[in-house]
Amino acid sequence: ETGVTQSPTHLIKTRGQQVTLRCSSQSGHNTVSWYQQALGQGPQFIFQYYREEENGRGNFPPRFSGLQFPNYSSELNVNALELDDSALYLCASSIREMNTEAFFGQGTRLTVV
Amino acid sequence: AQSVTQPDIHITVSEGASLELRCNYSYGATPYLFWYVQSPGQGLQLLLKYFSGDTLVQGIKGFEAEFKRSQSSFNLRKPSVHWSDAAEYFCAVAGYNFNKFYFGSGTKLNVKP
Repeated sequence: ETGVTQSPTHLIKTRGQQVTLRCSSQSGHNTVSWYQQALGQGPQFIFQYYREEENGRGNFPPRFSGLQFPNYSSELNVNALELDDSALYLCASSIREMNTEAFFGQGTRLTVV
Repeated sequence: AQSVTQPDIHITVSEGASLELRCNYSYGATPYLFWYVQSPGQGLQLLLKYFSGDTLVQGIKGFEAEFKRSQSSFNLRKPSVHWSDAAEYFCAVAGYNFNKFYFGSGTKLNVKP
Protein backbone atom coordinates (compact mmCIF):
# COMPACT_ATOMS: atom_id res chain seq x y z
CA GLU A 1 0.00 0.00 0.00
CA THR A 2 1.11 3.56 -0.67
CA GLY A 3 0.92 6.49 1.73
CA VAL A 4 -1.51 8.39 -0.49
CA THR A 5 -4.95 8.62 1.06
CA GLN A 6 -8.13 9.94 -0.50
CA SER A 7 -11.43 10.88 1.05
CA PRO A 8 -14.23 10.11 0.84
CA THR A 9 -14.08 6.66 -0.77
CA HIS A 10 -17.56 6.92 -2.24
CA LEU A 11 -19.85 9.86 -2.88
CA ILE A 12 -23.25 10.37 -4.49
CA LYS A 13 -24.21 13.83 -5.70
CA THR A 14 -27.05 15.33 -7.68
CA ARG A 15 -26.55 16.97 -11.06
CA GLY A 16 -25.78 20.67 -10.65
CA GLN A 17 -24.24 20.29 -7.19
CA GLN A 18 -20.65 20.95 -6.23
CA VAL A 19 -18.19 18.42 -4.78
CA THR A 20 -14.80 18.53 -3.06
CA LEU A 21 -12.48 15.56 -3.04
CA ARG A 22 -9.42 15.37 -0.83
CA CYS A 23 -5.99 13.82 -1.14
CA SER A 24 -3.15 13.48 1.35
CA SER A 25 0.12 12.93 -0.44
CA GLN A 26 2.79 10.48 0.62
CA SER A 27 5.17 11.91 3.19
CA GLY A 28 7.82 14.09 1.55
CA HIS A 29 6.05 14.26 -1.80
CA ASN A 30 5.58 17.80 -3.13
CA THR A 31 3.62 17.10 -6.30
CA VAL A 32 0.02 15.97 -6.59
CA SER A 33 -1.78 15.00 -9.78
CA TRP A 34 -5.45 14.28 -10.27
CA TYR A 35 -6.93 11.84 -12.76
CA GLN A 36 -10.46 10.95 -13.81
CA GLN A 37 -11.11 7.32 -14.67
CA ALA A 38 -14.48 6.68 -16.27
CA LEU A 39 -15.82 3.14 -16.24
CA GLY A 40 -13.88 0.94 -18.65
CA GLN A 41 -11.35 3.67 -19.47
CA GLY A 42 -7.83 4.52 -18.54
CA PRO A 43 -7.16 7.45 -16.21
CA GLN A 44 -7.28 10.89 -17.84
CA PHE A 45 -5.05 13.67 -16.53
CA ILE A 46 -6.98 16.57 -14.97
CA PHE A 47 -4.20 18.73 -13.52
CA GLN A 48 -1.11 18.72 -11.36
CA TYR A 49 -0.02 20.86 -8.43
CA TYR A 50 3.56 21.50 -7.48
CA ARG A 51 4.40 23.62 -4.43
CA GLU A 52 0.86 25.02 -4.32
CA GLU A 53 0.85 26.14 -7.97
CA GLU A 54 -0.95 24.50 -10.88
CA ASN A 55 1.68 22.87 -13.06
CA GLY A 56 -0.09 21.50 -16.09
CA ARG A 57 -3.68 20.86 -16.98
CA GLY A 58 -5.46 18.35 -19.15
CA ASN A 59 -8.49 18.86 -21.35
CA PHE A 60 -11.02 19.55 -18.60
CA PRO A 61 -13.32 22.58 -18.29
CA PRO A 62 -12.75 25.34 -15.72
CA ARG A 63 -15.45 23.94 -13.44
CA PHE A 64 -12.74 21.44 -12.43
CA SER A 65 -10.45 23.32 -10.09
CA GLY A 66 -7.95 22.44 -7.43
CA LEU A 67 -5.82 23.56 -4.54
CA GLN A 68 -2.64 22.41 -2.92
CA PHE A 69 -1.89 23.30 0.68
CA PRO A 70 1.46 24.02 2.38
CA ASN A 71 1.54 20.45 3.68
CA TYR A 72 1.17 19.33 0.03
CA SER A 73 -2.27 17.83 0.52
CA SER A 74 -4.71 18.72 -2.23
CA GLU A 75 -8.35 19.21 -3.10
CA LEU A 76 -10.22 18.70 -6.33
CA ASN A 77 -13.38 20.77 -6.70
CA VAL A 78 -15.99 20.18 -9.35
CA ASN A 79 -18.82 22.69 -9.83
CA ALA A 80 -22.10 22.24 -11.67
CA LEU A 81 -21.83 18.46 -11.68
CA GLU A 82 -22.91 16.61 -14.81
CA LEU A 83 -23.88 12.97 -15.17
CA ASP A 84 -20.68 12.35 -17.19
CA ASP A 85 -18.62 13.40 -14.18
CA SER A 86 -19.45 10.03 -12.62
CA ALA A 87 -16.07 8.30 -12.38
CA LEU A 88 -13.26 7.14 -10.13
CA TYR A 89 -11.07 10.11 -9.23
CA LEU A 90 -7.47 9.20 -8.55
CA CYS A 91 -4.85 11.25 -6.83
CA ALA A 92 -1.14 10.57 -7.30
CA SER A 93 1.83 12.04 -5.49
CA SER A 94 5.48 12.24 -6.40
CA ILE A 95 8.68 14.20 -5.84
CA ARG A 96 9.19 16.30 -8.91
CA GLU A 97 12.88 17.01 -8.34
CA MET A 98 13.68 13.31 -8.10
CA ASN A 99 11.71 12.30 -11.20
CA THR A 100 10.08 9.50 -9.30
CA GLU A 101 7.11 7.50 -10.38
CA ALA A 102 3.69 8.55 -9.11
CA PHE A 103 2.12 6.71 -6.20
CA PHE A 104 -1.64 6.47 -6.47
CA GLY A 105 -4.32 6.54 -3.83
CA GLN A 106 -7.29 4.18 -3.82
CA GLY A 107 -9.54 6.76 -5.43
CA THR A 108 -12.90 8.36 -4.77
CA ARG A 109 -15.87 6.88 -6.59
CA LEU A 110 -18.19 9.75 -7.53
CA THR A 111 -21.69 9.01 -8.76
CA VAL A 112 -23.78 11.85 -10.14
CA VAL A 113 -27.52 11.20 -10.33
CA ALA B 1 0.31 14.10 -30.00
CA GLN B 2 1.13 11.86 -27.10
CA SER B 3 -0.88 8.68 -26.79
CA VAL B 4 -0.76 5.11 -25.60
CA THR B 5 -2.51 2.22 -27.31
CA GLN B 6 -3.28 -1.09 -25.71
CA PRO B 7 -4.76 -3.15 -28.54
CA ASP B 8 -6.14 -5.96 -26.41
CA ILE B 9 -9.18 -5.04 -24.31
CA HIS B 10 -9.56 -8.49 -22.75
CA ILE B 11 -7.14 -11.41 -22.53
CA THR B 12 -7.78 -14.82 -21.00
CA VAL B 13 -4.92 -17.17 -20.17
CA SER B 14 -4.71 -20.41 -18.24
CA GLU B 15 -2.94 -20.45 -14.91
CA GLY B 16 0.70 -21.34 -15.46
CA ALA B 17 0.71 -20.14 -19.05
CA SER B 18 2.87 -17.29 -20.28
CA LEU B 19 1.49 -13.79 -20.79
CA GLU B 20 2.27 -10.86 -23.04
CA LEU B 21 0.32 -7.60 -22.93
CA ARG B 22 0.94 -5.18 -25.75
CA CYS B 23 1.54 -1.47 -25.49
CA ASN B 24 2.39 1.03 -28.22
CA TYR B 25 3.09 4.65 -27.56
CA SER B 26 3.40 7.89 -29.45
CA TYR B 27 5.58 10.51 -27.82
CA GLY B 28 7.63 13.27 -29.38
CA ALA B 29 10.57 13.15 -27.01
CA THR B 30 12.33 10.48 -24.98
CA PRO B 31 9.55 8.56 -23.26
CA TYR B 32 9.41 7.37 -19.71
CA LEU B 33 7.27 4.24 -19.69
CA PHE B 34 5.32 2.52 -16.97
CA TRP B 35 3.05 -0.43 -16.36
CA TYR B 36 0.46 -0.21 -13.60
CA VAL B 37 -1.98 -2.84 -12.33
CA GLN B 38 -5.44 -2.12 -10.94
CA SER B 39 -7.61 -4.56 -9.02
CA PRO B 40 -11.38 -3.91 -9.02
CA GLY B 41 -12.28 -0.77 -7.10
CA GLN B 42 -8.66 -0.08 -6.24
CA GLY B 43 -6.04 2.47 -7.16
CA LEU B 44 -3.07 1.83 -9.41
CA GLN B 45 0.02 -0.10 -8.34
CA LEU B 46 3.29 0.35 -10.21
CA LEU B 47 4.64 -2.89 -11.70
CA LEU B 48 7.72 -1.53 -13.43
CA LYS B 49 9.16 1.47 -15.21
CA TYR B 50 11.64 2.28 -17.96
CA PHE B 51 13.65 5.47 -17.87
CA SER B 52 16.86 4.61 -19.76
CA GLY B 53 19.55 1.97 -20.08
CA ASP B 54 18.83 -1.72 -20.37
CA THR B 55 15.73 -2.13 -22.50
CA LEU B 56 14.56 -5.18 -20.57
CA VAL B 57 13.28 -4.13 -17.17
CA GLN B 58 12.23 -6.28 -14.28
CA GLY B 59 9.35 -5.45 -12.01
CA ILE B 60 7.44 -6.79 -9.08
CA LYS B 61 5.42 -10.01 -9.01
CA GLY B 62 7.65 -11.62 -11.67
CA PHE B 63 6.72 -9.20 -14.46
CA GLU B 64 9.13 -7.83 -17.01
CA ALA B 65 8.81 -5.48 -19.98
CA GLU B 66 10.91 -4.76 -23.03
CA PHE B 67 11.30 -1.31 -24.58
CA LYS B 68 11.66 -1.37 -28.35
CA ARG B 69 12.21 2.11 -29.69
CA SER B 70 12.02 1.03 -33.34
CA GLN B 71 8.54 -0.37 -32.76
CA SER B 72 7.42 2.26 -30.22
CA SER B 73 6.44 -0.62 -27.97
CA PHE B 74 6.73 -1.52 -24.32
CA ASN B 75 5.16 -4.96 -23.94
CA LEU B 76 4.63 -6.56 -20.56
CA ARG B 77 5.45 -10.23 -20.03
CA LYS B 78 5.25 -12.89 -17.38
CA PRO B 79 6.49 -16.47 -17.89
CA SER B 80 3.88 -18.16 -15.67
CA VAL B 81 0.62 -16.49 -14.69
CA HIS B 82 -0.97 -16.98 -11.27
CA TRP B 83 -4.68 -16.68 -10.53
CA SER B 84 -3.91 -13.61 -8.40
CA ASP B 85 -2.68 -11.79 -11.51
CA ALA B 86 -6.26 -11.35 -12.72
CA ALA B 87 -6.71 -7.58 -12.85
CA GLU B 88 -6.60 -4.68 -15.29
CA TYR B 89 -3.25 -3.54 -16.61
CA PHE B 90 -2.44 -0.03 -17.79
CA CYS B 91 0.51 1.16 -19.81
CA ALA B 92 1.50 4.81 -19.39
CA VAL B 93 4.00 7.28 -20.83
CA ALA B 94 5.29 10.49 -19.29
CA GLY B 95 7.70 13.23 -20.19
CA TYR B 96 10.96 13.94 -18.38
CA ASN B 97 9.41 16.05 -15.63
CA PHE B 98 6.47 13.69 -15.07
CA ASN B 99 3.99 16.54 -15.05
CA LYS B 100 1.49 14.46 -16.98
CA PHE B 101 0.97 10.74 -17.49
CA TYR B 102 -0.83 9.45 -20.56
CA PHE B 103 -2.53 6.13 -19.95
CA GLY B 104 -3.78 3.51 -22.34
CA SER B 105 -7.33 2.25 -22.06
CA GLY B 106 -6.23 -0.88 -20.25
CA THR B 107 -6.19 -4.64 -20.78
CA LYS B 108 -8.35 -6.76 -18.55
CA LEU B 109 -6.67 -10.08 -17.72
CA ASN B 110 -8.72 -13.12 -16.82
CA VAL B 111 -6.95 -16.24 -15.53
CA LYS B 112 -8.54 -19.66 -16.04
CA PRO B 113 -7.88 -22.34 -13.41
